[in-house]
Amino acid sequence: EDQVTQSPEALRLQEGESSSLNCSYTVSGLRGLFWYRQDPGKGPEFLFTLYSAGEEKEKERLKATLTKKESFLHITAPKPEDSATYLCAVQEDSNYQLIWGAGTKLIIKP
Amino acid sequence: EPEVTQTPSHQVTQMGQEVILRCVPISNHLYFYWYRQILGQKVEFLVSFYNNEISEKSEIFDDQFSVERPDGSNFTLKIRSTKLEDSAMYFCASSRTPGGAFFGQGTRLTVV
Repeated sequence: EDQVTQSPEALRLQEGESSSLNCSYTVSGLRGLFWYRQDPGKGPEFLFTLYSAGEEKEKERLKATLTKKESFLHITAPKPEDSATYLCAVQEDSNYQLIWGAGTKLIIKP
Repeated sequence: EPEVTQTPSHQVTQMGQEVILRCVPISNHLYFYWYRQILGQKVEFLVSFYNNEISEKSEIFDDQFSVERPDGSNFTLKIRSTKLEDSAMYFCASSRTPGGAFFGQGTRLTVV
């Protein structure tokens, strides 16, 4: 049973077209939820940590939100350089390892 | 900006050989991790290391694997008797507190 599910698998947008990526999770207790960006052949780049429902974090064109069952990564007026795979990972309160989703591949066309 | 450094960037090895993947974590970080990502698949946790000992490990991290912090700066992953299915990107990560970690650029391991 998947504990972290990301949707959509891929998303193609025009430059400037805002949208949201979803990360739904099923864990008994959440210690934290993490968003990363990964470029091809590179390591994940840390973006945000969210700890409790209602929390929001922002960085440039990205905004992450958290509810008790899911997180959204909102991207506002994206640029081609925002093209990457966005990964979500959760940390259960019983341990410290990260459980990863499969990612959303975001393509921004100029 | 401080970063996690991994070497080599690409390692090709014969099946059955031993490999050592090397990492230099960010200097004031206390928690160290190894993850792997098989091509086209999810990132998978292998092991976490704190206070000079393994704090958590996954089912993947069996007797074939070991980690070591031989000095104050390096953190290594040793894979003994490599198998074809060990081919993957291996990522080292570090953090000041447990949780959100900073990742290196990875070592691509190819077992032939």
